[in-house]
Amino acid sequence: ETGVTQSPTHLIKTRGQQVTLRCSSQSGHNTVSWYQQALGQGPQFIFQYYREEENGRGNFPPRFSGLQFPNYSSELNVNALELDDSALYLCASSLAGTTTGELFFGEGSRLTVL
Amino acid sequence: GDSVTQMEGPVTLSEEAFLTINCTYTATGYPSLFWYVQYPGEGLQLLLKATKADDKGSNKGFEATYRKETTSFHLEKGSVQVSDSAVYFCALALKGAQKLVFGQGTRLTINP
Repeated sequence: ETGVTQSPTHLIKTRGQQVTLRCSSQSGHNTVSWYQQALGQGPQFIFQYYREEENGRGNFPPRFSGLQFPNYSSELNVNALELDDSALYLCASSLAGTTTGELFFGEGSRLTVL
Repeated sequence: GDSVTQMEGPVTLSEEAFLTINCTYTATGYPSLFWYVQYPGEGLQLLLKATKADDKGSNKGFEATYRKETTSFHLEKGSVQVSDSAVYFCALALKGAQKLVFGQGTRLTINP
């Protein structure tokens, strides 16, 4: 069974640039969620994708967008990067219909914005 | 809004000590409650869960009981090991909701 994998693991961008983060969900999982974890804080929900559609969104501006592909993999795109976007971005997969909150997380992509 | 509050860290204990990490929550409905753990260099992992009042979740010697009257879900372990050193997150999820709401995390260090 393949777990959740994310890429890249680390990246550095400058303010105003755009970034794309990628996630492959665990085998058999059809739902992907993205979280932002600032240093020393708990993860904050960005959005969830199910059947290639956004299925819930947290308190993040529209410059945070995503995609889910037919193979259930996903991308997180952030436009017009700001310094406060520096964080660990976590992808989590789950199977729709299972217990709410039981998620399988990747190791994350650490983004630094200079 | 829904929120989770954990005891401030970091927490440092000696091996075989008793552990309690406090967690309280505020929610508009009746949430499911979780403890997730983040070991160094690894992704978040589900440690245990409870889906209704008075349920006790347990795993790897850790336990937590869903207390509706005190809106709490404290994590306990009777005898900690060096390998338990990690960051622990308490979280809630409302039934049918898409998201987990996490506390700020508690860093635990166990010294031999």
